[in-house]
Amino acid sequence: GDSVTQMEGPVTLSEEAFLTINCTYTATGYPSLFWYVQYPGEGLQLLLKATKADDKGSNKGFEATYRKETTSFHLEKGSVQVSDSAVYFCALSSPGGFKTIFGAGTRLFVKA
Amino acid sequence: DAMVIQNPRYQVTQFGKPVTLSCSQTLNHNVMYWYQQKSSQAPKLLFHYYDKDFNNEADTPDNFQSRRPNTSFCFLDIRSPGLGDAAMYLCATSLPSGGRSEKLFFGSGTQLSVL
Repeated sequence: GDSVTQMEGPVTLSEEAFLTINCTYTATGYPSLFWYVQYPGEGLQLLLKATKADDKGSNKGFEATYRKETTSFHLEKGSVQVSDSAVYFCALSSPGGFKTIFGAGTRLFVKA
Repeated sequence: DAMVIQNPRYQVTQFGKPVTLSCSQTLNHNVMYWYQQKSSQAPKLLFHYYDKDFNNEADTPDNFQSRRPNTSFCFLDIRSPGLGDAAMYLCATSLPSGGRSEKLFFGSGTQLSVL
């Protein structure tokens, strides 16, 4: 079945450091790919998405590129802020159904 | 603002005592979902409704039931909660496009404790 694997956390960075969170997926067909973010005490919210190969999703300085050849969707940000501290979830949604499959999440701590 | 609202935010129940969690939405979305999220784990889909059509995940225990009386409301019933059912329960909605869900809108969740 479909699945998502993302790097384990926690990831601890200093403010203004470069962030990469790795995500790979297994799916039949051509899934849509997502990054969701969960701030403390809140539900998940969509950060960015990409719907086909080579698409780049971007939002709030975060970027991720849909790489079909490596089945990856790594999240990057050039300069993190303390306010980016949260849990980040990679996810996919396959055609022909309405299920979104999530990875286990990566907790990010950003120190001032 | 249109949103997904879950009540209560925290729920404490006793082992074996039935409990109901509530979710409402003002987005008028066709699909509503219930996810279970345990600490440091991925949200796990329990079931979803497409309009009135109920879709249960194969590994969702029979102890978990759901009701959707209308478009706006969806309930999660746990008939006999066990200690292992303590978790965050997340309600989400979506408006499908192209035969799939492109974006989920989540509520803030209900944290369930079982004593």
